[in-house]
Amino acid sequence: NAGVTQTPKFQVLKTGQSMTLQCAQDMNHEYMSWYRQDPGMGLRLIHYSVGAGITDQGEVPNGYNVSRSTTEDFPLRLLSAAPSQTSVYFCASSYSRGEIYGYTFGSGTRLTVV
Amino acid sequence: AQKITQTQPGMFVQEKEAVTLDCTYDTSDQSYGLFWYKQPSSGEMIFLIYQGSYDEQNATEGRYSLNFQKARKSANLVISASQLGDSAMYFCAMTQGGSNYKLTFGKGTLLTVNP
Repeated sequence: NAGVTQTPKFQVLKTGQSMTLQCAQDMNHEYMSWYRQDPGMGLRLIHYSVGAGITDQGEVPNGYNVSRSTTEDFPLRLLSAAPSQTSVYFCASSYSRGEIYGYTFGSGTRLTVV
Repeated sequence: AQKITQTQPGMFVQEKEAVTLDCTYDTSDQSYGLFWYKQPSSGEMIFLIYQGSYDEQNATEGRYSLNFQKARKSANLVISASQLGDSAMYFCAMTQGGSNYKLTFGKGTLLTVNP
């Protein structure tokens, strides 16, 4: 099993550019979510999905867009990159039935916006 | 709204000694889950231990144990017999709103194990 795969691992964007961070899981998890990690802030929830076709906002959704057309994939789109979006982004997935080992994180994407 | 507080930005411990990392939480939910994750310098998030709010016994996983005091709303992580490889950032987290798919994280504690 690959688990949760995030691509790319590193990215540098110019202000105003758009891009998509990819996230794929092969564990048939119903739930997927995106977090960002900033120094001294811990991880904060951006968007989440409870199943294909269903998404909702987390704590810090502004400037990001998501869609969930399949169970496996949950891409995060930056519409117009800003320096404030410089961060490390983590995708995570979990089962819906609450198994304690259901949370799996990807290895992260380090994004720099200049 | 849920809140996780980790009051120790950094901790030092000697190799082979035990260390306790503090975590307090605030929630109005009756059912919730508490997690500890380890983040080494390589950046990945590694699940360590889980405690459910209705679990009567403290969770243990090898050298890790969770000291769960529900009335005090604390969920401290105890690492016994520290190893150099334990040097990392440690995050406490809890489920939001009774769901399994949203986590609230603390700001983390950077643990350094000295030889």
